[in-house]
Amino acid sequence: DTGVSQDPRHKITKRGQNVTFRCDPISEHNRLYWYRQTLGQGPEFLTYFQNEAQLEKSRLLSDRFSAERPKGSFSTLEIQRTEQGDSAMYLCASSLGPKETQYFGPGTRLLVL
Amino acid sequence: AQSVAQPEDQVNVAEGNPLTVKCTYSVSGNPYLFWYVQYPNRGLQFLLKYITGDNLVKGSYGFEAEFNKSQTSFHLKKPSALVSDSALYFCAVRTSGSARQLTFGSGTQLTVLP
Repeated sequence: DTGVSQDPRHKITKRGQNVTFRCDPISEHNRLYWYRQTLGQGPEFLTYFQNEAQLEKSRLLSDRFSAERPKGSFSTLEIQRTEQGDSAMYLCASSLGPKETQYFGPGTRLLVL
Repeated sequence: AQSVAQPEDQVNVAEGNPLTVKCTYSVSGNPYLFWYVQYPNRGLQFLLKYITGDNLVKGSYGFEAEFNKSQTSFHLKKPSALVSDSALYFCAVRTSGSARQLTFGSGTQLTVLP
């Protein structure tokens, strides 16, 4: 039984660079969520996909952020022109459906210098 | 807007003693409540959830939670704490909109002392 996986686990980048994270959900889970967690806080919702369709984006998701799920399987989250305020843990979760439990991946910890 | 509050940033308990991690919620409509645990540099692991039915919900690793509608609370409990239970615990409520995303509390750091 493979859970949600995320790659990379850690990323250090310089301000202004672009970064891309990948999430592989649990097989057959058609819902995929992205959350962001900063130090000392609970995760905050960024966006979600139902299959390949991105259906909602939080106001936290600025224009520098873009997410895709091209074939309804894995998803990518790209941050362009990173800023120090983007430093956080980026968590991916998947669920079998909207009313089912969300299972989280190990996260990608981003540090912007 | 839906929200959860975890009034304690830190809870310390001796090994073998019962533990309680508190959570209160504010929702419009029926609450769908969750507890997750996070170990250092790890993602969140699902512990248990309340959707409907019995007010006492049993979950993983011997944890349980009591749903109290009149007090709008969903406290996490365990009869006998283990040192390995030391971790960061999050209470969450699922929204009723189409996204059904989770709204989390700020977390409670549980430390079980040997």
